[in-house]
Amino acid sequence: ETGVTQTPRHLVMGMTNKKSLKCEQHLGHNAMYWYKQSAKKPLELMFVYNFKEQTENNSVPSRFSPECPNSSHLFLHLHTLQPEDSALYLCASSRWGETSSYNEQFFGPGTRLTVL
Amino acid sequence: GDSVTQMEGPVTLSEEACLTINCTYTATGYPSLFWYVQYPGEGLQLLLKATKADDKGSNKGFEATYRKETTSFHLEKGSVQVSDSAVYFCALKNPPHGSSNTGKLIFGQGTTLQVKP
Repeated sequence: ETGVTQTPRHLVMGMTNKKSLKCEQHLGHNAMYWYKQSAKKPLELMFVYNFKEQTENNSVPSRFSPECPNSSHLFLHLHTLQPEDSALYLCASSRWGETSSYNEQFFGPGTRLTVL
Repeated sequence: GDSVTQMEGPVTLSEEACLTINCTYTATGYPSLFWYVQYPGEGLQLLLKATKADDKGSNKGFEATYRKETTSFHLEKGSVQVSDSAVYFCALKNPPHGSSNTGKLIFGQGTTLQVKP
């Protein structure tokens, strides 16, 4: 596998279910991101991890719980979601450097989540 | 706060037509600007970028010029193909500040391009 992979690609869950999204990067990066993509809205950054440490949480509800056990893997644990949480969830990774003006983010194909 | 505004889609064109997708931004600093493309069923891919005023980013026949005076970064292509059908996202990122380089991209809402044969 190369690049950034995400599983599952599609997920349908009820509001009382607990599920997890998985992201894996094979690029040697040390920063990983979760984004939410809803129809006709800008991509929303949810969480940022740098060297496994969470550096940003953009006021995301606690029903979304990220986990980054190492710099290659990122999870998003879901529980008691709402129908409005239905969206495409994108994972991305990049290098992380204090002096770089830009470290390109590489995106996975996303998980299409439907909450019933 | 910083923001990016794109023209609403979908944009529907015939093959070989000229394309312009407008993008304007609001930023407190001197951001770098980007266009990302998302093909059906795939994640976003960086299409091109420009890091300072008057820079022109180009790739795969697409171009965009960083216009500081109009705070714009319009995407253009002289002759589109069916394979260019995708969603295009304009984005900005401010320069790193101390140790707080979060790599945070601010995206527009995306513009869907449909190219018909």
